[in-house]
Amino acid sequence: NAGVTQTPKFQVLKTGQSMTLQCAQDMNHNSMYWYRQDPGMGLRLIYYSASEGTTDKGEVPNGYNVSRLNKREFSLRLESAAPSQTSVYFCASIKGGAYNEQFFGPGTRLTVL
Amino acid sequence: TQLLEQSPQFLSIQEGENLTVYCNSSSVFSSLQWYRQEPGEGPVLLVTVVTGGEVKKLKRLTFQFGDARKDSSLHITAAQPGDTGLYLCAGPAPGTASKLTFGTGTRLQVTL
Repeated sequence: NAGVTQTPKFQVLKTGQSMTLQCAQDMNHNSMYWYRQDPGMGLRLIYYSASEGTTDKGEVPNGYNVSRLNKREFSLRLESAAPSQTSVYFCASIKGGAYNEQFFGPGTRLTVL
Repeated sequence: TQLLEQSPQFLSIQEGENLTVYCNSSSVFSSLQWYRQEPGEGPVLLVTVVTGGEVKKLKRLTFQFGDARKDSSLHITAAQPGDTGLYLCAGPAPGTASKLTFGTGTRLQVTL
């Protein structure tokens, strides 16, 4: 099993450009999450999907959209990138059970110039 | 306002030393998790503590959940360079069972 995979690993955008970050998991998990990680801020939830066909906003959703394409895939789209969106983005899925223990992908490092 | 406060923020120690990192909150949590994140990688779950006063051991790592379930600690005995990384605590976000809130982390550097 590959676990949670993310593409691309690195990306540089210019202000105003758009892009989609891809995430896939092969663990048959129902719930998937997108976080951003900034120095001194910890992990902040952008959007999550509790199950296929549903998505909900997290703590910092502005400037982002998501699509839960199927049970395996959950994508994050930046329609018009801004320098404030420079960050490391992590996708995660939940194992299930009582404690929502999360499995993370390797991350996408995004720089917006 | 950060719901989970971790201390210290940074820790640089030599191989063989012991250390403790803390995760504190003014709120009660039903459970807390600890993750370790190595440079360039995503966080990896180390342990979940669920009962007040609970102690769990993972080789040289000892995790404790406070009696009142408002705090947790991670103690590392005889630290090794392989322990280097960012240690994050996390717990269920208020009012929901489906989201986690994370602390800002403790960055540990262990040198030879």
